[in-house]
This record gives sequence, C-alpha cells and structure tokens, in this order.
Amino acid sequence: GQQLNQSPQSMFIQEGEDVSMNCTSSSIFNTWLWYKQDPGEGPVLLIALYKAGELTSNGRLTAQFGITRKDSFLNISASIPSDVGIYFCAGQRVDMRFGAGTRLTVKP
Amino acid sequence: DSGVTQTPKHLITATGQRVTLRCSPRSGDLSVYWYQQSLDQGLQFLIQYYNGEERAKGNILERFSAQQFPDLHSELNLSSLELGDSALYFCASSPGREETQYFGPGTRLLVL
Repeated sequence: GQQLNQSPQSMFIQEGEDVSMNCTSSSIFNTWLWYKQDPGEGPVLLIALYKAGELTSNGRLTAQFGITRKDSFLNISASIPSDVGIYFCAGQRVDMRFGAGTRLTVKP
Repeated sequence: DSGVTQTPKHLITATGQRVTLRCSPRSGDLSVYWYQQSLDQGLQFLIQYYNGEERAKGNILERFSAQQFPDLHSELNLSSLELGDSALYFCASSPGREETQYFGPGTRLLVL
C-alpha cells in the first residue's frame, strides 16, 4: 500500500497561477522524484532529488528534498493549460513508493 | 519517449484466461520494474528484476508471475484473470538496482 501522503488530492487553478504540492512520509528516503502522468500514458520523470536539502529546478518547476528526508514539495510557477495531468511523488530507498497523486486542472 | 517499450498497448480478454505482457527496457538498463495502476489509483509496485534475477517483490498476487530474460526484456504473466485485474500495467527500467526509473507507455488490460 501507499506509504507516502501526497496533498492536495486535486487542484483547480486559473492559467498563470502558481501551484504547490507536497509529499510526506513516516519513512526516510534516499531519493525523491516527481512524475507527471497524462491520461492513458506512462509517468514521465520531471525532477529527481538525491540529497537532503537539495533544491532543483526544471523550467517552471522547482522541487525540494526535505531536510528530514521524509518530505518533498513541487512548485509550478505561472501554470499553463498543458500542465494539466496527475503529478506523483515517489520516494526511493530500496524499492520505490508512490504517492496517490495530485490531479491538476488548469482553466484557460 | 522514455526508451522503454511495452506490448501490447491494449488487451481485452475474459475472466479465467491468461495473458502475457512484454517489456523492453532502455538500452543499457539492467533493472525492470512492473507496476499496476487501477482506475484513478496510484501506482502499485509489483516486482523488480535486476540482470535476470528477482530483486524485490511488492503487492504481487500469486496468480501473477514475471521473469527477465538474458536479453533483459521482461514478461509479466497474469493467470486466472478476474474482473478486478483490469488496469494499466506499467513497466519501468533503470540502469542499476536503485536508480531513477523511466516508465513505458503501459498496457491497458480489460477483463470482461
């Protein structure tokens, strides 16, 4: 079962707004990853974080690996319609555990 | 395109039947992972193979089995299928045992 608590479950925002989502766990992970999944497609890796405290950007996306190694957040700035999809966090120690996902809807 | 390929893309079958899903990892990747995603659900880890050997097992039913062949492609076998097995099945690969995973496009299985 899921060991990661991802929130929010869903978000409805206006184009141009910033978005923030996060994942927490009771377990420590060595790697945090954020994936985006479009309907009927496989998850696509957005950002990978390998070190506690690490802050990494990929275009309009910024993610951080929490200091405690038990949490991570993902921010999307100036959202656009193609940001629509489900965003999953994943924590990896031995195997990889996924959050339940945040479903993002962007209204033009 | 992640470089991971999965066939078939869609599969429709009946309860009680057996199916085989196939995955080819990215060139050079030694690990293959299988996941199940039911409607509106997250990804459930099933099993991992590394260089032909089973490395980790998740929530995989006894009716399901997998293997990784010498050329590193992998097959997931689902038998005695039930309606509840209808889902998207994803394969992912990584270079080593515990590295970032790259996902294939998935196989959508519908059991009628």
